[in-house]
This record gives sequence, C-alpha cells and structure tokens, in this order.
Amino acid sequence: EVQLVESGGGLVQPGGSLRLSCAASGFTFSSYDINWVRQAPGKGLEWVSYISGSGNIIHYGDSVKGRFTISRDNDKSSLYLQMNSLRAEDTAVYYCARDGPYGSGHYYWGQGTLVTVSS
Amino acid sequence: QSALTQPASVSGSPGQSITISCTGTSSDVGGYNYVSWYQQHPGKAPKLMIYDVSHRPPGVSNRFSGSKSGNTASLTISGLQAEDEADYYCMSYTSRSTRVFGGGTQLTVL
Repeated sequence: EVQLVESGGGLVQPGGSLRLSCAASGFTFSSYDINWVRQAPGKGLEWVSYISGSGNIIHYGDSVKGRFTISRDNDKSSLYLQMNSLRAEDTAVYYCARDGPYGSGHYYWGQGTLVTVSS
Repeated sequence: QSALTQPASVSGSPGQSITISCTGTSSDVGGYNYVSWYQQHPGKAPKLMIYDVSHRPPGVSNRFSGSKSGNTASLTISGLQAEDEADYYCMSYTSRSTRVFGGGTQLTVL
C-alpha cells in the first residue's frame, strides 16, 4: 500500500525556518516524481514545488522561489522541503503528492502537516 | 503564474448534471492535455477524479467526466448524489514545467 506521511510542521515566527519531511513507503521511491502542494486555512490548493525521481530536475512556484528548497533522499525514501524566510502567508497545510501512475495527475497524497507562521 | 479561473460555486439537485469550468491560457490548459481534477471533502486530502483531461483513475465513478476546448477545461458530474458535495479543483501543467491549480469550486447538492 502506498503511503506518504508528512511531518515537521509547527509554529514558527516570521522570518524563521522550518524543514518538512515526507516519508514514503509501498513503492519504489526513486521511480516517481513528487510535489509539495499547500492549502492556506479556508483557501484553495496551491502548487509549491516539484522534484524528479532522480532529484536532478526541480521547479518552484513563484511565491516560494528563492526561499524554499525541495530535496529528496532516495535511500531513505524521503522528501524534504526546507522553508526559509517564512511569512504569514506561508501558513498552510502542506501536502506531499506523488505523480503517477495515472498520467499527469497526483493520485497519492499524504495527510498533510500544518505550518503556522505567526509571532 | 496566475491561478486558473473556476466559478466559486455551483449547485444542483440530486440526479441532475452540473459542469465546472476551468479557464487558463495557451501556456497551460490550452497548450497541453495535462489537466487533472480533484475532489476535496472538508478536512481531507484531495482525491484525483480525472487526469489528462478526460481519463478516470480506477474506482472513480463514470458519472464524472472531463473535457477541454481551447483554453477551457470542464468537469461534468452527472446523476448528482449527496456524496458529491465537496470542493473541486482543476490543475494544469504549464509551459514553465510547473503546475497551477484553479481557485476551486464549491459544489452544493440541493
């Protein structure tokens, strides 16, 4: 059974940093591209970042570019999101979402981890 | 990258059909057959309902269908059921190799 489990969320002050993790199981981790998607309280989904299975192709949304860094450790079947210079508007539930096996869609999602940026 | 445009809300009675539109540009929706649709119930993770414009993953009811014309994609739900009441989001691949979501549509089953 495919599972994605996010962790690392919490309360952080504006300007601070946080590192999210997504632990994967039930599939060959290195074979799949993965994304981070976030959802602010009461708001819609926002795509944040993408990393290819090998880790050598990375993309970011405009709102996080230069502040967030996506990475993965295929030996540990884990995905990471290093978030720096956090702002109040980064407050959201952060989901990891795997590409495939159905075309361009995100079929597998984690349960999400809440990041709150507030003083 | 601007969010794709969806109606904020739609409604329908049980048994009826509804259609949710998702409008982008030639750099996203219109340029690729990589539009997907997600259903989200309160407090839950999104669920993939349609991928690559019109394809259903296993287990998704055939009451859900997708299509695209030009820069606008559409999700149609036929034979509305109470359990279909949820938020729906479209997502598209873009010319910058990123993804972009629509603003979301709240579906109310009357």
